[in-house]
Amino acid sequence: LAKTTQPISMDSYEGQEVNITCSHNNIATNDYITWYQQFPSQGPRFIIQGYKTKVTNEVASLFIPADRKSSTLSLPRVSLSDTAVYYCLVAVSGGYNKLIFGAGTRLAVHP
Amino acid sequence: NAGVTQTPKFQVLKTGQSMTLQCAQDMNHNSMYWYRQDPGMGLRLIYYSASEGTTDKGEVPNGYNVSRLNKREFSLRLESAAPSQTSVYFCASNAPEDKNIQYFGAGTRLSVL
Repeated sequence: LAKTTQPISMDSYEGQEVNITCSHNNIATNDYITWYQQFPSQGPRFIIQGYKTKVTNEVASLFIPADRKSSTLSLPRVSLSDTAVYYCLVAVSGGYNKLIFGAGTRLAVHP
Repeated sequence: NAGVTQTPKFQVLKTGQSMTLQCAQDMNHNSMYWYRQDPGMGLRLIYYSASEGTTDKGEVPNGYNVSRLNKREFSLRLESAAPSQTSVYFCASNAPEDKNIQYFGAGTRLSVL
């Protein structure tokens, strides 16, 4: 499974756009990139997933360059409720998956 | 739609006691997982079950046993609890077609004294 590297923590203010970049230099051809969000005292929650280029849903956008060695999670106009830990994972799609969660990025949104 | 349900939510044990953490999902998922999360760290996989009737060790299986009772239920047992097993335990499940998308329960916060 590819190892990922992301910042330990980030700070932002309400209304700003937040970009969290994840490095995955050893990503394999069949790996997908998946991001999870975890609030205190809750289990992780799936946010977004992609393979290449750009993916957008109602929560976030995911930008993946052509070489796929990194990815950027973009949260538009964050609010206090976006304060959470964000995990970047890469793994082969389908079936059962032994996902590896690193320490994640702790995002703090301030008023 | 309950999703993934874990019981109990909190538990305090004395060293050497045993207990079983229960997990049930109502999404008809084939694969289920048990993770533990220690303060300030990511999740580590304890055991997983790719499908009903099969179980396999994850990253940190020592001190634990699991049972995939049926397609819905996957339990985690601590036979002789140790303080090092103080942690938050999460159960998760996913369907075969979901690419790395796992659905998590709310967790069980366990303290071993």
